Amino acid sequence: RKEVEQDPGPFNVPEGATVAFNCTYSNSASQSFFWYRQDCRKEPKLLMSVYSSGNEDGRFTAQLNRASQYISLLIRDSKLSDSATYLCVAPKDYKLSFGAGTTVTVRA
Amino acid sequence: EPEVTQTPSHQVTQMGQEVILRCVPISNHLYFYWYRQILGQKVEFLVSFYNNEISEKSEIFDDQFSVERPDGSNFTLKIRSTKLEDSAMYFCASSGFATGELFFGEGSRLTVL
Repeated sequence: RKEVEQDPGPFNVPEGATVAFNCTYSNSASQSFFWYRQDCRKEPKLLMSVYSSGNEDGRFTAQLNRASQYISLLIRDSKLSDSATYLCVAPKDYKLSFGAGTTVTVRA
Repeated sequence: EPEVTQTPSHQVTQMGQEVILRCVPISNHLYFYWYRQILGQKVEFLVSFYNNEISEKSEIFDDQFSVERPDGSNFTLKIRSTKLEDSAMYFCASSGFATGELFFGEGSRLTVL
């Protein structure tokens, strides 16, 4: 089983819509999780850290479900600028592996 | 705001040549990483480095690859004899603590001809 698996998408949503997607992880010992966003041909940038059950930052909400070993990201009132690939990371020891990413396209 | 810087931004090389990619991590960070991303594919972990030694490496990081922290600021990735399939974007990242948030450089694009 891959360390991190994500809904690949693509999710194509209109402006103002809510979009949510999941990331499952295999290492039950992981204590911290991260969502990054990556724009085309750019470096990943941290969007949100998740250390306990969840985190909320403006229009973005991350939820952690330890029993089922997944984290989710929800984007409310989506903007055109939210179009990107969203990557999740579930660290294992010193290896921080990324999922393949979920592509979100917000259309006008 | 402190940032990770990488050089060169783009390098073109002939197959079989040695390449060194350079990174200057954020100054008070202790954990350093290299990742690569082949065009259109996922970001792949290569290696992590802490306390002047490799902490973890992936199966991609074979004998052709090496990392070094030659001084207090630079962190380098060397590819000894490049192959066509080494063409990718290479990202350096640093972190203030283990399993913490990664801060990435803008990447070095390597093209092997």
